Amino acid sequence: DGGITQSPKYLFRKEGQNVTLSCEQNLNHDAMYWYRQDPGQGLRLIYYSQIVNDFQKGDIAEGYSVSREKKESFPLTVTSAQKNPTAFYLCASSIRAPNTEAFFGQGTRLTVV
Amino acid sequence: AQTVTQSQPEMSVQEAETVTLSCTYDTSESDYYLFWYKQPPSRQMILVIRQEAYKQQNATENRFSVNFQKAAKSFSLKISDSQLGDAAMYFCAYYYPQGAQKLVFGQGTRLTINP
Repeated sequence: DGGITQSPKYLFRKEGQNVTLSCEQNLNHDAMYWYRQDPGQGLRLIYYSQIVNDFQKGDIAEGYSVSREKKESFPLTVTSAQKNPTAFYLCASSIRAPNTEAFFGQGTRLTVV
Repeated sequence: AQTVTQSQPEMSVQEAETVTLSCTYDTSESDYYLFWYKQPPSRQMILVIRQEAYKQQNATENRFSVNFQKAAKSFSLKISDSQLGDAAMYFCAYYYPQGAQKLVFGQGTRLTINP
């Protein structure tokens, strides 16, 4: 079945460590997005990519990094520079066309311990 | 920059009644797309309804309909005959298919259905 998969579902990180969240899609979508969700703040855009080997910063990119080496994959690294990384992270993908619908993964809950 | 604002953090409605969730947005563009997404307790985001800005007719999907006021930059969601399964967070989103091509979300409205 086609879809978008995030892993792991839960992730624990010690302070000062980098951690990478996985996002894979088999929908043949060009565009992929990473969002952070905190209570009362909705979905805030971290990074997005419209094509392989290209990506742009969203509204809260500081402390995060991404890569887009393959169309199917858009991993997000939360670095030690991110001051408050505990949050729920959502990955999404869509086709690069009008009338597009974004499909979402099931999310990763990251907790700093 | 495009922004999306949902001014109602929480709403509640009696089962079988009608409720309207508000959304306003800011843009200087004329051709764009607006969406309502639902996030139930499972946290899986689900598309509820979509509106193309060039269409004057309001979109409808079964019990869900929108009131799209382009000049006022308003995009409200009406849920008719509310059901217990409608309880969720609802997010309004904006997408412009040129330039940056970002999908921008509002802060969300938590909808409670009272039996």
